[in-house]
Amino acid sequence: DTAVSQTPKYLVTQMGNDKSIKCEQNLGHDTMYWYKQDSKKFLKIMFSYNNKELIINETVPNRFSPKSPDKAHLNLHINSLELGDSAVYFCASSRGLAGGPSYEQYFGPGTRLTVT
Amino acid sequence: GQSLEQPSEVTAVEGAIVQINCTYQTSGFYGLSWYQQHDGGAPTFLSYNALDGLEETGRFSSFLSRSDSYGYLLLQELQMKDSASYFCAVRDEGGKLIFGQGTELSVKP
Repeated sequence: DTAVSQTPKYLVTQMGNDKSIKCEQNLGHDTMYWYKQDSKKFLKIMFSYNNKELIINETVPNRFSPKSPDKAHLNLHINSLELGDSAVYFCASSRGLAGGPSYEQYFGPGTRLTVT
Repeated sequence: GQSLEQPSEVTAVEGAIVQINCTYQTSGFYGLSWYQQHDGGAPTFLSYNALDGLEETGRFSSFLSRSDSYGYLLLQELQMKDSASYFCAVRDEGGKLIFGQGTELSVKP
């Protein structure tokens, strides 16, 4: 009964490849997020969806394309992977829109991506 | 723009009390949150302050002073399992959660 799950947990791939990370939440939340955490543990938001609608799109290379088939799922596809994409990618969800009263965010276990 | 500052690392002994400070600069303020992250784990929510004052949850308390753009996380009766990274975060007017760089807390026996 995991709240926010991600697959895969580890992903090792070569430069130039295309890969996807999947995220699912069973909390009934309306808002989902993708974060990138670098080697210095800096956690930065990439995208946010509310009820399948993209509401936050940070300055992220367009090689990164999120997709939300329904409000319980948020996937991240990365084209033409580069060395600098190596990081831990976290999916998260929250009850409501981020701009309202603070709704705590529930994070998935993370996907450690290593590009060689 | 938005920025948050917190110490990069703090060391304390078991049973002690430690305070992790966070100062922030944001365009619009919608509350200060704290998250804990153990090595190899996911960030987990600890606390949230929207109004000035102290919020207590068990051994952890969080304080906010909006006039000083300052908050802190207070951990009491430290245990070894409290060794982790602690992040303060603020929500900006665009709805994003902006995280600080994190404070690595080491609890020694």
